[in-house]
Amino acid sequence: QKEVEQNSGPLSVPEGAIASLNCTYSDRGSQSFFWYRQYSGKSPELIMFIYSNGDKEDGRFTAQLNKASQYVSLLIRDSQPSDSATYLCVLGTSYGKLTFGQGTILTVHP
Amino acid sequence: DGGITQSPKYLFRKEGQNVTLSCEQNLNHDAMYWYRQDPGQGLRLIYYSQIVNDFQKGDIAEGYSVSREKKESFPLTVTSAQKNPTAFYLCASSIIGQQYSNQPQHFGDGTRLSIL
Repeated sequence: QKEVEQNSGPLSVPEGAIASLNCTYSDRGSQSFFWYRQYSGKSPELIMFIYSNGDKEDGRFTAQLNKASQYVSLLIRDSQPSDSATYLCVLGTSYGKLTFGQGTILTVHP
Repeated sequence: DGGITQSPKYLFRKEGQNVTLSCEQNLNHDAMYWYRQDPGQGLRLIYYSQIVNDFQKGDIAEGYSVSREKKESFPLTVTSAQKNPTAFYLCASSIIGQQYSNQPQHFGDGTRLSIL
C-alpha cells in the first residue's frame, strides 16, 4: 500500500461546480496535512494545511481531515478554469520530511 | 521580496559530466530540501538539511551530493554516477518549529535537467 493514495484522475467538473479531491494515507502517526497545487511545468504552491480533525475553510477552499478514517479531502467551491491543475496531497512526517501523493489532475471546463 | 531562487531554469548534461544546481533562499529558513519529479510521478526526496554544515540523505540520494556551507544556500550536484538524471529538480525550504513535522515547505521554480 502506498503511503499516500490519490486518484490520478483526471477529474473533470464544469465551471461553477464543486470539485472534490480525496486522499487516504497509511501512517496513523501523521500529524500534518497539506494540499499543494501544481500547474503544468511549474513548481508546487501551498494552498491549504490542516492539523486537526474537522473542516478548515479558506476562501473557496475547504480542507477536511478524518484521522480515524485516515482520510483527507479538499473541496473547491465555484470552480474556475484557472483551478485546472494537479493537486498534491502531502503528509508531514518526522524531521520535517514530507510524503507526497502522485496528485490528482483537475480540469474545470467552461 | 522573500523567496527561493533556483538556477539555471534549464540545464543540459553531457555523459560523464557533473553538474551543479543552485538554490538560494532569503526567507531565513533553517531547513532546505531537494526533490526530484519525474513525469506523472510524485516528488521524491533527494537530500535535506536542517542546519548549516549538516545534511541527511533522502529516499533517492545515490548519484547526488550536496553541501550546506551557508544558511541561505543548498546546492545540489548531479554526478556522473546518476545514470538517469533527466527530471525536474525542486528546492524547498521551511522553518523549524516546535512541532517540526508541521511546517509547510515553500518551493523554488525548479530546474529542468536533460541529457545531451
